[in-house]
Amino acid sequence: GAVVSQHPSWVICKSGTSVKIECRSLDFQATTMFWYRQFPKQSLMLMATSNEGSKATYEQGVEKDKFLINHASLTLSTLTVTSAHPEDSSFYICSARYSGREEQFFGPGTRLTVL
Amino acid sequence: AQSVTQLGSHVSVSEGALVLLRCNYSSSVPPYLFWYVQYPNQGLQLLLKYTSAATLVKGINGFEAEFKKSETSFHLTKPSAHMSDAAEYFCAVSVGSNTGNQFYFGTGTSLTVIP
Repeated sequence: GAVVSQHPSWVICKSGTSVKIECRSLDFQATTMFWYRQFPKQSLMLMATSNEGSKATYEQGVEKDKFLINHASLTLSTLTVTSAHPEDSSFYICSARYSGREEQFFGPGTRLTVL
Repeated sequence: AQSVTQLGSHVSVSEGALVLLRCNYSSSVPPYLFWYVQYPNQGLQLLLKYTSAATLVKGINGFEAEFKKSETSFHLTKPSAHMSDAAEYFCAVSVGSNTGNQFYFGTGTSLTVIP
């Protein structure tokens, strides 16, 4: 139980285009979803926290107009990287939690490469 | 404020030897503590968690960790390393179990198992 999926698992795009990444909780309703960014050989950096039906809370230094987060339902959150540039290339990981459980359940990650 | 320190970014052990990965935390209130494992190009998998119950926590794959309040530590151990244990390990702390349950990750420890 508590499975989180991400789609796509990897994506290559041209500079200036926008990319959408989906995060789904498959067998539970996620009260909160989180988006992380991970650079090679580094830890996870929290980008934003989102609750269903509410605006996402972004961490300091994360551009909300650059990284659009939508949490339209209790099982789906999307991260859109707008006007992507090579420096946005990274591994993006989402996680989700539900009420009553302390841990976060992580998706498999999405590798974004911007050419 | 909450924070996590993982001593040793790289640890190498021989197959069959004891695995010890160190984690110290800082928290102003009783924390929840977690160990996650990450294999290359994958998301994070929960190994075990401490949520104020028993101080010695047993997890998957033969791992366990002991919460020591006096030492503010939550070190991860496994009696006998297996080749499949080679991965990146992250310690995390969170406070609270309601909405806004944010994780603070350590910088990670890369475990190498030598045959």
